[in-house]
Amino acid sequence: DQQVKQNSPSLSVQEGRISILNCDYTNSMFDYFLWYKKYPAEGPTFLISISSIKDKNEDGRFTVFLNKSAKHLSLHIVPSQPGDSAVYFCAATRWEGNKLVFGAGTILRVKS
Amino acid sequence: DVKVTQSSRYLVKRTGEKVFLECVQDMDHENMFWYRQDPGLGLRLIYFSYDVKMKEKGDIPEGYSVSREKKERFSLILESASTNQTSMYLCASQEGRSQYFGPGTRLLVL
Repeated sequence: DQQVKQNSPSLSVQEGRISILNCDYTNSMFDYFLWYKKYPAEGPTFLISISSIKDKNEDGRFTVFLNKSAKHLSLHIVPSQPGDSAVYFCAATRWEGNKLVFGAGTILRVKS
Repeated sequence: DVKVTQSSRYLVKRTGEKVFLECVQDMDHENMFWYRQDPGLGLRLIYFSYDVKMKEKGDIPEGYSVSREKKERFSLILESASTNQTSMYLCASQEGRSQYFGPGTRLLVL
């Protein structure tokens, strides 16, 4: 039972354009969501997060949107850069200290 | 700065061997995790620990065991390695809601 789903295995975007990565979840008890970025042969690194009491969180070029009624979140990267090419994982958790539940990941390729 | 280290970046082992993967964090975190990453499957939780000498099974614990004798060290043990355990293994420690990952160990079982 996949509680966190990233339905797009890959995404290709032109440099300078917007990248939109999507994530759906099924468990309504999740109250905190995170995005991680992973380069090949490295561990994932934290990118941005959002609490369920918000619907948007912004950090530089990265913005995460949360739609609780649809159980959907998205990560927007504007403008996309070649260095953004990586695997992006969406994760969700229910309460502080609890384990994270990860999606399968989306491979983003930004073409120059 | 947060630091999680893993003992090996690459390992090649034979079927049936006992394999030890070590993870050390220097942030005094209580929670530590072991995942494996496989293409199309994302990060799957093997085991986790909330304190010294405590361990909890994750989603795919079969064929693995763990040891947490000290707060900073969390070891993953493959009792008898099999080819389907060829994977990228990632260790993480947690503070609050965020997890910090090590660089990973790519294990090949022949």
